[in-house]
Amino acid sequence: DTEVTQTPKHLVMGMTNKKSLKCEQHMGHRAMYWYKQKAKKPPELMFVYSYEKLSINESVPSRFSPECPNSSLLNLHLHALQPEDSALYLCASSQDLGDGNEQFFGPGTRLTVL
Amino acid sequence: EDQVTQSPEALRLQEGESSSLNCSYTVSGLRGLFWYRQDPGKGPEFLFTLYSAGEEKEKERLKATLTKKESFLHITAPKPEDSATYLCAVLLANAGGTSYGKLTFGQGTILTVHP
Repeated sequence: DTEVTQTPKHLVMGMTNKKSLKCEQHMGHRAMYWYKQKAKKPPELMFVYSYEKLSINESVPSRFSPECPNSSLLNLHLHALQPEDSALYLCASSQDLGDGNEQFFGPGTRLTVL
Repeated sequence: EDQVTQSPEALRLQEGESSSLNCSYTVSGLRGLFWYRQDPGKGPEFLFTLYSAGEEKEKERLKATLTKKESFLHITAPKPEDSATYLCAVLLANAGGTSYGKLTFGQGTILTVHP
């Protein structure tokens, strides 16, 4: 099973709202990732977690707050977002950070900020 | 500076017309090259991992190859259901020479196969 699940599929929020995106995998992977993808552009890395610890933050604004409660779950907490934050948010996982380890992506959450 | 460039940006084929997509890279420490397929509004679907120059992988109508400077995705006798955006991504090394999980993607090739 190479499935990564994400909820919700779609999210519309105002600039003053607080919401969370959720990601889950049951492949025993120890690395998990958040990516942001704008229309007609490739995914851009936001955060990397390795063994439930934040490994990389790609200079993401603090209005995005990641959390890894356990080895299967990854959350992205959203607060005071801007309309330009509207995008497809993708979660991915891999066995670990080792060489050649492919990342498996979820279906994404389509976020619209009004 | 690490760079990944895919060409062409868009490719239109007739069903059964074989062709190749290119991914060229200039990176300081390659720890893996990956091909993904992405349908509109969906997450990328993993296709292949290539790690060493000379390596080849096949899956149905797709074959991926790797040299020291580029990778090719060959599509043999494509069908309309092969229409998608094909993304190439490289896994880079950190200062210590090992992977730290960062995938850098090319801009993608939009493939359209007409019946």
